[in-house]
Amino acid sequence: DGGITQSPKYLFRKEGQNVTLSCEQNLNHDAMYWYRQDPGQGLRLIYYSQIVNDFQKGDIAEGYSVSREKKESFPLTVTSAQKNPTAFYLCASSSLTGEGGTEAFFGQGTRLTVV
Amino acid sequence: RKEVEQDPGPFNVPEGATVAFNCTYSNSASQSFFWYRQDCRKEPKLLMSVYSSGNEDGRFTAQLNRASQYISLLIRDSKLSDSATYLCVVNGLNTGNQFYFGTGTSLTVIP
Repeated sequence: DGGITQSPKYLFRKEGQNVTLSCEQNLNHDAMYWYRQDPGQGLRLIYYSQIVNDFQKGDIAEGYSVSREKKESFPLTVTSAQKNPTAFYLCASSSLTGEGGTEAFFGQGTRLTVV
Repeated sequence: RKEVEQDPGPFNVPEGATVAFNCTYSNSASQSFFWYRQDCRKEPKLLMSVYSSGNEDGRFTAQLNRASQYISLLIRDSKLSDSATYLCVVNGLNTGNQFYFGTGTSLTVIP
């Protein structure tokens, strides 16, 4: 089945540590996105990528880094510079050509807690 | 000004009621429009795309008014299982194919 997979589902991190969240898709989508959602709030864009080896900052990129070495993969690193990293992180992908629709498909999310 | 604005609610309605959600967007060049549903502590899932001609899927009807930059979602004969947060989403190639999300409207259907 085609889809987008995030791992892990739950992640606990000590303050001062970097942590990497995985996102993989087999939908052959060119575009991939990382969002952060805090309780009772909307989705905020961290980074997005439209093509391999290229990505752009979103609204809240500070304290985060990404890479796009393969079309299928868009990992997000939450660095120690992120002041308040506890949140629900959502990865999404979409087609740029419109083939199969233009909507965003989401992974199941990673719930990160800093302890 | 936010790209997409929604009334956050909450909307508490009895089973069988009809409920309408509204949304406005600021970028007149936006090209694609969607309603997503998000259950508590889950990822958003596409409910329906929204077209200028309006579209219907069972009890759900979506409308788009490009002139007023306004999107609506109508739910008829509400079920308990409709309880969720509904997100209005717009997208456009002129914005690098970014998706802009409203903060969501919370719906609780009461028995």
